[in-house]
Amino acid sequence: AQRVTQPEKLLSVFKGAPVELKCNYSYSGSPELFWYVQYSRQRLQLLLRHISRESIKGFTADLNKGETSFHLKKPFAQEEDSAMYYCALSDSGGSNYKLTFGKGTLLTVNP
Amino acid sequence: GAVVSQHPSRVICKSGTSVKIECRSLDFQATTMFWYRQFPKQSLMLMATSNEGSKATYEQGVEKDKFLINHASLTLSTLTVTSAHPEDSSFYICSARPPLAAGELFFGEGSRLTVL
Repeated sequence: AQRVTQPEKLLSVFKGAPVELKCNYSYSGSPELFWYVQYSRQRLQLLLRHISRESIKGFTADLNKGETSFHLKKPFAQEEDSAMYYCALSDSGGSNYKLTFGKGTLLTVNP
Repeated sequence: GAVVSQHPSRVICKSGTSVKIECRSLDFQATTMFWYRQFPKQSLMLMATSNEGSKATYEQGVEKDKFLINHASLTLSTLTVTSAHPEDSSFYICSARPPLAAGELFFGEGSRLTVL
């Protein structure tokens, strides 16, 4: 069974500080990993996916198959980054892209 | 980007009644939609996969007779909570993937159900 673990429920940093949101997964096949974000009073939306290898809003995430991790990083946090972040895993072998979510990490960036 | 819309955004009902929540893909066709449930301060739990023109696929532990899903067209899926009870109170969210969207899901704004 696939599982996504986000060990931190809450993470608080000061503006300008580096931030890392941890995500570990367990999956027997070849997974696709995503980070979704939910800003206050807004719907869930995609932040980035590992296959794109892109940086969105200054965030990056590298898939480490050896450590089964997909941590989200940003070198200098901004107040507008405050949101709920969910790591998610999709069965790449399936055509439905059913997502399994972690429990989420609430990031607060203080001024 | 693609838009997924849910209706109603909030609904309050009496115990024992049934409630229908709609999920629409506004600018694309979706052969598959997903229904999630989110408890306060918890993650999204996948309830079922809604398949256009066929039966929904339910996750383990989700009662299919309790949560009826109908995906009658390529732009509409409905979730009906039958004989609702207070423990069914929750935030229900749907999502859909446009064709060729490379795995990205687009989410509705969610529907908050309160059963009195």
